[in-house]
Amino acid sequence: DTEVTQTPKHLVMGMTNKKSLKCEQHMGHRAMYWYKQKAKKPPELMFVYSYEKLSINESVPSRFSPECPNSSLLNLHLHALQPEDSALYLCASSQDSGTSGSFVTDTQYFGPGTRLTVL
Amino acid sequence: QKEVEQDPGPLSVPEGAIVSLNCTYSNSAFQYFMWYRQYSRKGPELLMYTYSSGNKEDGRFTAQVDKSSKYISLFIRDSQPSDSATYLCAIRRGGSNYKLTFGKGTLLTVNP
Repeated sequence: DTEVTQTPKHLVMGMTNKKSLKCEQHMGHRAMYWYKQKAKKPPELMFVYSYEKLSINESVPSRFSPECPNSSLLNLHLHALQPEDSALYLCASSQDSGTSGSFVTDTQYFGPGTRLTVL
Repeated sequence: QKEVEQDPGPLSVPEGAIVSLNCTYSNSAFQYFMWYRQYSRKGPELLMYTYSSGNKEDGRFTAQVDKSSKYISLFIRDSQPSDSATYLCAIRRGGSNYKLTFGKGTLLTVNP
């Protein structure tokens, strides 16, 4: 099973709302990622968790707050977002965070994404 | 200069055509090269992963890397309508740097 699941599929929120995106994988992967993808653009890395610790924050505004409750789950808490934050938010996981240069450990498996609209 | 450049197309071909998708990169520190396929409203799916110059074949797909020219290609033989998607090249540095840098993506349409 190489599935990464994300909920919800779609989310519409106002600028004063607080919401959370959820991601789950049961492949035993120890690295999990959040990406943001705008229309007709490639994914942009936001955060990386490696062994449940935040290892990379790509200078993402604090209105995005990631959380990794356990090795299978990754959340992205949203607060006071702006309309320009509307995008497809993708979660990915890999067996390792990429230290070995191996196809097996480096392959990132992506979820279907959550399409977020901020009004 | 951007780290990776990819012609965004769009590219439209008839069924059965050979498709060539290309990316160039600027830094020789990049050592790992991937091609992802992304269908509309779906997450990217890894197609090919290479780390050395030369060709790697998987069914109808061939990934080619030329490190001396900093050029990577994906060839699709006998293209099918189901191949219609956006193709993203992605590159990664070696060692502990796991960050993927994606090209802009090329939108491919294969017409029956």
